[in-house]
Formats: sequence, structure tokens, C-alpha cells
Amino acid sequence: AQSVTQLGSHVSVSEGALVLLRCNYSSSVPPYLFWYVQYPNQGLQLLLKYTTGATLVKGINGFEAEFKKSETSFHLTKPSAHMSDAAEYFCAVSDEEAAGNKLTFGGGTRVLVKP
Amino acid sequence: KAGVTQTPRYLIKTRGQQVTLSCSPISGHRSVSWYQQTPGQGLQFLFEYFSETQRNKGNFPGRFSGRQFSNSRSEMNVSTLELGDSALYLCASSLSGDSNQPQHFGDGTRLSIL
Repeated sequence: AQSVTQLGSHVSVSEGALVLLRCNYSSSVPPYLFWYVQYPNQGLQLLLKYTTGATLVKGINGFEAEFKKSETSFHLTKPSAHMSDAAEYFCAVSDEEAAGNKLTFGGGTRVLVKP
Repeated sequence: KAGVTQTPRYLIKTRGQQVTLSCSPISGHRSVSWYQQTPGQGLQFLFEYFSETQRNKGNFPGRFSGRQFSNSRSEMNVSTLELGDSALYLCASSLSGDSNQPQHFGDGTRLSIL
């Protein structure tokens, strides 16, 4: 079974500082990888995805993530945090070999941005 | 293009009752998935429907069921409600449901059990 681990349930960063959210996955085959963001009282919004091709993926709102197969990681970064980045972030994987669309999520990382 | 629409946004029920939640996917999307989000268990997959057929099912008791209609709209039903069923229920749709396709989420239905 797949699993996703997000290191740190809470991260606090200063406005303008680097945001780094860690995600490691456990899968017998390279999965498809996604990062989602959730704002209060809302659903999940897709930030970016990795399926095939370039391992450095750029997403919306200045976020990017790098797929590292050797480290089974897909960490999310943003060079300069903005107050509007305060939200909860979820890493998710889907199984390339499974039929259908089923996401396995990490536990989430809540980001606090300090002025 | 309208996003995924879930109704109602909020529900309050008592133990033992049953509830039906509704989801309208993005126009043209044929795959609909349901997830349960709780503070303790996080986001957990309930089931996925494609062309009116359940294609995947998570590890939930039989009290949780769903269906999909010919227009791709989906409903999920929970019978004999328990306190632990209090959660945010999220619906997501994707074009064909291939595993490399991103899922687009609605804002959820928050279910509270008294």
C-alpha cells in the first residue's frame, strides 16, 4: 500500500522567507505526485503535479516542487513567502498501475506566515 | 467554467439518522471521487465512480455508499450515523479518472452529528 509522509504538521515562516514543505512517499513503483492547498472553509486547490518528464515542476502562486526518485521525495518550495500563503498544504500520490483515480494524502502541513 | 458543486454546505444530524450528500462535477468530467476529512484521520478516500460504476472503494464500513447518475452527478449516503462520522466530506472530479489526472475539489459538506 502507498503511504505519504509530510514532515512537520506546522511550519512558521517570516514574510519574504523561503517556504520548504517536505513530502516523502512509499510506493513500489514511481507514482504520480500532487500538491494541494486548502484555505479555511474551502476545498483543496491543485498547486502542481508531477506525472512524467521534467522532475522540477512549477505550479501556481510561485510554488515549485522537485521529484527525486532516489530519495522518494517531492518537496514543495517557494522562494519568498507571502501572507496569503498561510494555509494547509497536502502532498498526495496516485498509483500509476491502479485503475481509476484514488489519491493517498499525507497528513498535511499548516503554514503560518509572520509579518 | 463552473467548478465542483457540493450541496448542502452544512448539515446537522443526530445519531442513527441517515444523510445524503450531493456533488455536481465540472462539466464534461466523468469521474467523481469522495473523501472524508477529519482532524484525527486526515483525508481518506471513500470511493470513486466512473460511468455510473463504482471503480474503487476505500476502507469504510458498508454504511457508506454512493452512486453516480448518467449526467455524472453523484450522491453519497451514510446510514445509521455515528458521532465519528462528523467530518468534512469532499467531492472531486476529473476528466476520465486516469491516475495521472489531477482531481478538482468542491468546497465540501460539513456534517456534524449530535
